[in-house]
Amino acid sequence: DVKVTQSSRYLVKRTGEKVFLECVQDMDHENMFWYRQDPGLGLRLIYFSYDVKMKEKGDIPEGYSVSREKKERFSLILESASTNQTSMYLCASTLEDETDTQYFGPGTRLTVL
Amino acid sequence: AQSVSQHNHHVILSEAASLELGCNYSYGGTVNLFWYVQYPGQHLQLLLKYFSGDPLVKGIKGFEAEFIKSKFSFNLRKPSVQWSDTAEYFCAVDSGGSNYKLTFGKGTLLTVNP
Repeated sequence: DVKVTQSSRYLVKRTGEKVFLECVQDMDHENMFWYRQDPGLGLRLIYFSYDVKMKEKGDIPEGYSVSREKKERFSLILESASTNQTSMYLCASTLEDETDTQYFGPGTRLTVL
Repeated sequence: AQSVSQHNHHVILSEAASLELGCNYSYGGTVNLFWYVQYPGQHLQLLLKYFSGDPLVKGIKGFEAEFIKSKFSFNLRKPSVQWSDTAEYFCAVDSGGSNYKLTFGKGTLLTVNP
């Protein structure tokens, strides 16, 4: 069974703090993704990575950065958290095969005060 | 940029009613299509997917979806819903050759009353 884990289920931070969200997958997947999920807006892609140290911007990268130093781990970084980044953050991974499925983690609900 | 439209924000049904959730996408080329489901408190998971072949695809838990290329649609159906189908449903499109990026619709919340 594919397992995608995220470091925290709930996180509360203050405006201006640097925030790290961690995602780990155990299936040797090449591709990893970070989304944010907001009511009425669905899922929006922030960044994705198709290999170690490789990254590409998604649809809403502003205010975020990512790091992928190891194949199994993909980190999302909020350099200076703001209240409009309060959201549910979902990590996903998939094999390098366009017919494959994205497997999602449980999500991290981040609140920025 | 491609977009995905889900017509209903919230659908409320009684058990045993039939379900159809609409999904339309904007991309005119070859697409891969997905429906994902998120049950309360659970991970987002794949319900079904279409890549090629028979445009009527069957997924888990009795769900099916039909790809109609001329209408740019991929509607989700189930003949008889159960209380346990209460969840949020997301349609997604992958236009291929784009590092497997998915574009998601805004989601449809389905509430099934017992």
